[in-house]
Amino acid sequence: NAGVTQTPKFRVLKTGQSMTLLCAQDMNHEYMYWYRQDPGMGLRLIHYSVGEGTTAKGEVPDGYNVSRLKKQNFLLGLESAAPSQTSVYFCASSYLGTYGYTFGSGTRLTVV
Amino acid sequence: DQQVKQNSPSLSVQEGRISILNCDYTNSMFDYFLWYKKYPAEGPTFLISISSIKDKNEDGRFTVFLNKSAKHLSLHIVPSQPGDSAVYFCAASAIGGNQFYFGTGTSLTVIP
Repeated sequence: NAGVTQTPKFRVLKTGQSMTLLCAQDMNHEYMYWYRQDPGMGLRLIHYSVGEGTTAKGEVPDGYNVSRLKKQNFLLGLESAAPSQTSVYFCASSYLGTYGYTFGSGTRLTVV
Repeated sequence: DQQVKQNSPSLSVQEGRISILNCDYTNSMFDYFLWYKKYPAEGPTFLISISSIKDKNEDGRFTVFLNKSAKHLSLHIVPSQPGDSAVYFCAASAIGGNQFYFGTGTSLTVIP
C-alpha cells in the first residue's frame, strides 16, 4: 500500500526559481491538502481540493498555486520561490473533509 | 488567529509514568478532534480521535478526554514508553467542514 507519495523528498531552489511538488494517492480519496510545517507554527493549510477539478485556498495560499486535474494527483507550484517559502511541505488526503487524514512523508524545501 | 493551541512546546516524562498532552480550541463549532503523532523525517500518523458526543475515548495505552465547556482536550499515555517520543499534534474540525485545524505540536521525550 503506497498511500500518499510525495516527490521530491528534498529540493534546494534559488530565489526566483519555480518548481512543482507532486502528491499522489492511491486510496481513491476525494479530499487532498497541502500543508507547510514551520518551527513554532504547526501545520498550516496552503490549498486544498474537495474533488477532481476543484481547488480552494487555505490559511497561507500566497505565492502558491495548485491543480487537481486527476483525482489521484494534487500538484503544488511555486512560481517564483522566496526564502520565506523554506519549509517542510506535507500532502494529505482523506475520504471526506472530516475524516482523518493520511499524510505523505514530506518534502523539505530550502530556498536560498 | 490560531484556533487550536498547544501551549506546551515540549514535555519530558520518565518511562512508565503518565504523559499528559493538552490542547485548547476557540471555535465552539468544532465537533471532531484528532491526535497525530510525528516522528522526525516522517509524515504525521493518526493516533486517536474523539467526537463531541463523547467525553472520553480509549485505545490501548492512549486515552483522549474532551471537556466541551472548557474547549479543552487532553491526550493521556499510560505507561509512557521511549518509542512514544515524538511530536504530537491535535487537530479539530467543524460539522460539515472541509479541513482540520492543527495545533503547533508538543514534543514528547520519554526518558528510559
